[in-house]
Amino acid sequence: SQTIHQWPATLVQPVGSPLSLECTVEGTSNPNLYWYRQAAGRGLQLLFYSVGIGQISSEVPQNLSASRPQDRQFILSSKKLLLSDSGFYLCAWSPGGLSYEQYFGPGTRLTVT
Amino acid sequence: GNSVTQMEGPVTLSEEAFLTINCTYTATGYPSLFWYVQYPGEGLQLLLKATKADDKGSNKGFEATYRKETTSFHLEKGSVQVSDSAVYFCALSDQYEGYQKVTFGIGTKLQVIP
Repeated sequence: SQTIHQWPATLVQPVGSPLSLECTVEGTSNPNLYWYRQAAGRGLQLLFYSVGIGQISSEVPQNLSASRPQDRQFILSSKKLLLSDSGFYLCAWSPGGLSYEQYFGPGTRLTVT
Repeated sequence: GNSVTQMEGPVTLSEEAFLTINCTYTATGYPSLFWYVQYPGEGLQLLLKATKADDKGSNKGFEATYRKETTSFHLEKGSVQVSDSAVYFCALSDQYEGYQKVTFGIGTKLQVIP
């Protein structure tokens, strides 16, 4: 069966510090991968998606970036965090093709102080 | 573009009460529809889905019917439990530039009291 992992689970970082969040998927190959952000009391905002290694599309221009160095690894980064980057970050994957479901990881709670 | 509308809540019910969470959508194509559930501090879990008009998705006592004529996908459960307390997201998915673009509603918080 497929599983998706995210780490760290919780992170507190000062403004201006760098960020690296990691997501890995097991039990499938060539998944579509997604990064979402969920601000407190708000819905989900799609940040990035990837349909293959090295292929990244951005939905919202901001100081975050994403990379996919391996088929089942998706990384969210920032060089300098802003207070507004605080939130709950969720990684998700989907099988692609005609399957429309997305499956979510446990999330990373980021607090920028 | 696509959009999903649902009430934000919170919806507060007593245990064993009947639940309805309304969801309506706007889409240009023929989307698939989903309900996801998020328990406190966790990621989203797929609760149920429907891929075409008149399909009924069901899981764990929850059900929703894809109504194309009213562009709705209301979530229902006959008897809620305290353990159903969570945030429920309605979503639609459609093919967009080679990937499945999912549009989420804002989420409805459900509180079930004993």
